Amino acid sequence: DTAVSQTPKYLVTQMGNDKSIKCEQNLGHDTMYWYKQDSKKFLKIMFSYNNKELIINETVPNRFSPKSPDKAHLNLHINSLELGDSAVYFCASSQGRILGDQPQHFGDGTRLSIL
Amino acid sequence: AQTVTQSQPEMSVQEAETVTLSCTYDTSENNYYLFWYKQPPSRQMILVIRQEAYKQQNATENRFSVNFQKAAKSFSLKISDSQLGDTAMYFCAFMKGSNNNDMRFGAGTRLTVKP
Repeated sequence: DTAVSQTPKYLVTQMGNDKSIKCEQNLGHDTMYWYKQDSKKFLKIMFSYNNKELIINETVPNRFSPKSPDKAHLNLHINSLELGDSAVYFCASSQGRILGDQPQHFGDGTRLSIL
Repeated sequence: AQTVTQSQPEMSVQEAETVTLSCTYDTSENNYYLFWYKQPPSRQMILVIRQEAYKQQNATENRFSVNFQKAAKSFSLKISDSQLGDTAMYFCAFMKGSNNNDMRFGAGTRLTVKP
């Protein structure tokens, strides 16, 4: 009955590889997000999708490409991984782009480690 | 741009005592929402409490309460009767109320509850 689920939980890979992190939510929410939490625990938004439409795209290298096949899924694909990509990536979802009072529900995070 | 500042990187409190975590924010918006999230060592992001800026009454959730000072742009979290399970990182977050679910987080405060 997990609300927001991310896979994998841990990902260890070498520099230069391409990897994907998947996210699914079963809350019926129409907005999904990707956040990056660095080693200092600073949490920063990367992308936001509303009903498969990109609405937030922060200054993120274009090696990062989100893909939303439907409103319940928002996957994050990363090309040519670099050491600085090591972080914990959180997926989140909320109900309503207009309704700003709806809190975001987070997945458990994916710890990405680049060797 | 909205910024959220948590000036206390680390705090500790004895079990059963009360602790207050501070948060200030900067915005020109009049309609917005504020949140406190808890991140225990398990890495989950758990919503603790939220406050609508248009409400003067401070939000309360069991042992957690906030002191919302809109004019001062301050949003502190008070934890009463601290428990060992409260040990976690605590993040203050801001979200505009209009047409955008962009949530901005503070840098976090690491709280340790000592037995």
